[in-house]
Amino acid sequence: DTGVSQDPRHKITKRGQNVTFRCDPISEHNRLYWYRQTLGQGPEFLTYFQNEAQLEKSRLLSDRFSAERPKGSFSTLEIQRTEQGDSAMYLCASSSRGGKAFFGQGTRLTVV
Amino acid sequence: DQQVKQNSPSLSVQEGRISILNCDYTNSMFDYFLWYKKYPAEGPTFLISISSIKDKNEDGRFTVFLNKSAKHLSLHIVPSQPGDSAVYFCAASAPGNNDMRFGAGTRLTVKP
Repeated sequence: DTGVSQDPRHKITKRGQNVTFRCDPISEHNRLYWYRQTLGQGPEFLTYFQNEAQLEKSRLLSDRFSAERPKGSFSTLEIQRTEQGDSAMYLCASSSRGGKAFFGQGTRLTVV
Repeated sequence: DQQVKQNSPSLSVQEGRISILNCDYTNSMFDYFLWYKKYPAEGPTFLISISSIKDKNEDGRFTVFLNKSAKHLSLHIVPSQPGDSAVYFCAASAPGNNDMRFGAGTRLTVKP
């Protein structure tokens, strides 16, 4: 296990379509985070899991967004009825308790 | 609300000289600060961190300084190398919070 893995790396979708991204964290990390980054900005927190429990959600996470981590390992982030404003880099990170977060390479979403 | 601010969007230095990247924060509850480095098309990579109980942390060419009274931290890179050219993000977290707040980043260019 060499790090946090995200799939796909790039996704182009038409407005109104649903998309799902996957994140595989570092195996011994029980904490998993989703962030979103737009051009010229730093990463913005979306949601946090400790094991399988989703403990925190940002106000940025509208009801079109849902995240799961069913077995406390990999996580998925789904965006329903995509809008052009959803175009961004979606970053996943994981950490152990009290440790620094390690990021994946991100999924770049383009909504056309 | 921008709780972590990096007011310089870009910085250019000559190879071998010192690079100083600055970061200011507004939330006095932050007690852990991190610097991440990001190359294009990759996720942020952890560089160095500092706890609020310290005012300096050093790791090779990288040193982070924390001035709690001024709510300011800085990253010093010396000597700078062309491979250090990247976007540097400052991040901070508070006890009991599960998200890191990021600044908007500073693009460092080290010229040969």
